[in-house]
Amino acid sequence: AQSVTQLDSHVSVSEGTPVLLRCNYSSSYSPSLFWYVQHPNKGLQLLLKYTSAATLVKGINGFEAEFKKSETSFHLTKPSAHMSDAAEYFCVVSDDGKAAGNKLTFGGGTRVLVKP
Amino acid sequence: DTGVSQNPRHKITKRGQNVTFRCDPISEHNRLYWYRQTLGQGPEFLTYFQNEAQLEKSRLLSDRFSAERPKGSFSTLEIQRTEQGDSAMYLCASRRPGAGNTIYFGEGSWLTVV
Repeated sequence: AQSVTQLDSHVSVSEGTPVLLRCNYSSSYSPSLFWYVQHPNKGLQLLLKYTSAATLVKGINGFEAEFKKSETSFHLTKPSAHMSDAAEYFCVVSDDGKAAGNKLTFGGGTRVLVKP
Repeated sequence: DTGVSQNPRHKITKRGQNVTFRCDPISEHNRLYWYRQTLGQGPEFLTYFQNEAQLEKSRLLSDRFSAERPKGSFSTLEIQRTEQGDSAMYLCASRRPGAGNTIYFGEGSWLTVV
């Protein structure tokens, strides 16, 4: 079984300041991990993914995440927030065991508010 | 456009009516997934197909829900005798098999049951 916990349901930052979105996961197998972003009334867009290569993963729009196996964490960061970063962010785990179908399990989401 | 396409994007229906959503995955993606997302929640897995075979169904998928992928290409999700609790966004996604391959999502189909 796999699960994802996003530790903050809401994060508020000022434009130009760093963003940190926290995520912890559990998985029976070596997981693949993803961060997706969802703007209002839109579908899900992939920000970045970890697939057992480099533990520090760089994504689009200046986001990056670090996989820490010992802490079972995959926190998302960005050094300087932009107004366009206001959205809902989902941490996602994919159980890549053969029987699992590679289906995704989503965290509850973190809503990011960016103040001018 | 070579992304995942969903139709209709919005549907308002009266309680008790049947509705059907269609998903066209990215070409050559043999895995297709359906998720449901209610307001303020993350998407929840409903079911997935590998080619035309439906390999797993969540217990969220009651008897009123049925999904098909008859030729291993597009898929339909039908909800019979809709209830107000069915109001949600239904997301379709597709991917190529293999560990770590990205799942690509459509923009979703919003269902409002009145």
